[in-house]
Amino acid sequence: AQRVTQPEKLLSVFKGAPVELKCNYSYSGSPELFWYVQYSRQRLQLLLRHISRESIKGFTADLNKGETSFHLKKPFAQEEDSAMYYCALVSGSARQLTFGSGTQLTVLP
Amino acid sequence: GAVVSQHPSRVICKSGTSVKIECRSLDFQATTMFWYRQFPKQSLMLMATSNEGSKATYEQGVEKDKFLINHASLTLSTLTVTSAHPEDSSFYICSAPTSGSSDTQYFGPGTRLTVL
Repeated sequence: AQRVTQPEKLLSVFKGAPVELKCNYSYSGSPELFWYVQYSRQRLQLLLRHISRESIKGFTADLNKGETSFHLKKPFAQEEDSAMYYCALVSGSARQLTFGSGTQLTVLP
Repeated sequence: GAVVSQHPSRVICKSGTSVKIECRSLDFQATTMFWYRQFPKQSLMLMATSNEGSKATYEQGVEKDKFLINHASLTLSTLTVTSAHPEDSSFYICSAPTSGSSDTQYFGPGTRLTVL
């Protein structure tokens, strides 16, 4: 069965500092991974997906199959990045998402 | 982007009553919708996959008689919590992928259910 692990429940960094949110996965097939973000009082929304290899709001994430990781990184954190971040893996014929437990990022001024 | 709505946003009910939650895709059609449950400070747990025109697919451990799902049209799925009890109190969230981009799921704002 698939599993997504986010080891850090809480992460605080200062504005301008680099940030890395960790995500590890377990999946027997070829993984497709995503990062979703939930800002305060807002709904969950897609941040980025590994297939696109894009950078959104300065965030990037690289799939490392050897380490089974998909860590989210940003070189210079901003206060508006404070939010809950979920790593997710898609599987099954219906493309269901399996979420990690989430990491609450707080960027301090 | 695509919009998914949920109604109601918040509901309080007495133990033993049934509660219906609606999930609508406002500007696109969704043959599949997903229902999640989220406990405070925890992640989203997939409950079931709602399929338009056929039965829902439930995740292991989810009682299908307790959580009735109906995908009445290409824009509406409903989740009915039957004979609700306090332990059913939770945040229920639906999502729907847009066609042609099945990996982009759009999430509803969620429904806070409190069973007294």
